[in-house]
Amino acid sequence: EIVLTQSPGTLSLSPGERATLSCRASQSVSSSYLAWYQQKPGQAPRLLIYGASSRATGIPDRFSGSGSGTDFTLTISRLEPEDFAVYYCQQYGSSPLMYTFGQGTKLEIK
Amino acid sequence: QVQLVQSGAEVKKPGASVKVSCKASGYTFTSYYMHWVRQAPGQGLEWMGIINPSGGSTSYAQKFQGRVTMTRDTSTSTVYMELSSLRSEDTAVYYCARGETYYYDSSGYYFFDYWGQGTLVTVSS
Repeated sequence: EIVLTQSPGTLSLSPGERATLSCRASQSVSSSYLAWYQQKPGQAPRLLIYGASSRATGIPDRFSGSGSGTDFTLTISRLEPEDFAVYYCQQYGSSPLMYTFGQGTKLEIK
Repeated sequence: QVQLVQSGAEVKKPGASVKVSCKASGYTFTSYYMHWVRQAPGQGLEWMGIINPSGGSTSYAQKFQGRVTMTRDTSTSTVYMELSSLRSEDTAVYYCARGETYYYDSSGYYFFDYWGQGTLVTVSS
């Protein structure tokens, strides 16, 4: 089973700053199998990025994803007040069928 | 527009079962897999399993094998998740999530594009 480890656990930044969130896999993951989600308190997760780098419909272009193999990154170029939330990476595995999430990174206002 | 509307909060005693529903609208129900994901209080997301609304086939995470059953009713575009032998550790918000799967340039893409609002299940004596 592939384990996803996100870092840092908490990231404290100010609006306007750049955020870089990391997701490391215990084994190589196909880039097409990697997605990122945003979750705000009391809400369901929202899809941000799929295929490691493709933005979902309606997601602002300040959000970008990159990476391959075992190291993936979510970057928010200029933080807006509404971006402060918890972010999860997720990967798909086929043998056995399994979808795995990282433990999350909390992005908080400094 | 795509909507997934889940049933309301439940309070159950240890050892009991709970059945959560998720009614889909705004798309062809049988064209997309549906997943169930849970989140314990203050914790991360945990995938429980998947159902194919077209044929009803299922696949469950090993952790939940033997305790979870996912079913669907195509006449009402509703999927169900039943969890039995409840214990306090099952206290969580349970989400249904539509699974998007497609193939492009010899690569497969697998992710959750729409989520229900969540159903809080509390297990307490």
